[in-house]
Amino acid sequence: GENVEQHPSTLSVQEGDSAVIKCTYSDSASNYFPWYKQELGKGPQLIIDIRSNVGEKKDQRIAVTLNKTAKHFSLHITETQPEDSAVYFCAASNPAGGFKTIFGAGTRLFVKA
Amino acid sequence: DSGVTQTPKHLITATGQRVTLRCSPRSGDLSVYWYQQSLDQGLQFLIQYYNGEERAKGNILERFSAQQFPDLHSELNLSSLELGDSALYFCASSAYRGAGAYNEQFFGPGTRLTVL
Repeated sequence: GENVEQHPSTLSVQEGDSAVIKCTYSDSASNYFPWYKQELGKGPQLIIDIRSNVGEKKDQRIAVTLNKTAKHFSLHITETQPEDSAVYFCAASNPAGGFKTIFGAGTRLFVKA
Repeated sequence: DSGVTQTPKHLITATGQRVTLRCSPRSGDLSVYWYQQSLDQGLQFLIQYYNGEERAKGNILERFSAQQFPDLHSELNLSSLELGDSALYFCASSAYRGAGAYNEQFFGPGTRLTVL
């Protein structure tokens, strides 16, 4: 079946450094790729998304890139801050067959002050 | 605040019992999704409803069932509970933007289920 692989599972960076999380998807019909941030005790929150007709999108310190040929997409966080510490999930969505969204296993990001 | 509400926040019950989790989607959203998140695990898609009808099914056990009511709120029913069913259960909602459109999901705060 469809799956999304996410790496690394844990990432520790120093405050001010950049963090990169990578995902690979298997369903070539996927055309929407959201990223979610989950803080302790809360539900996942959408932070940025990218659609298949776009290769890159940026929102302040966060950027996402998509390589449809390689079925690969990445989240880049620059100038990390302690409040960026959380679990980040990537996902791939195929609008056919019911908008099913497949999530990666998550990356636990620690930003050390 | 995503606009999606879930009740209860916490639920403690015993093996073999049955529970019902409730979700109210964002105003205007027609689709509701249910996910299970076990300890330190990712989000496992269970089931999706659109405007009262089941639209997609994931790894949902036969002991679990869901429905979406005319007012668009949804309930997830878990029966014959086992220890391994202890998890966070999230509901998400999204708006319908037409066939083939993108799918922005907004998550509720979750219900933490503990089965003793």
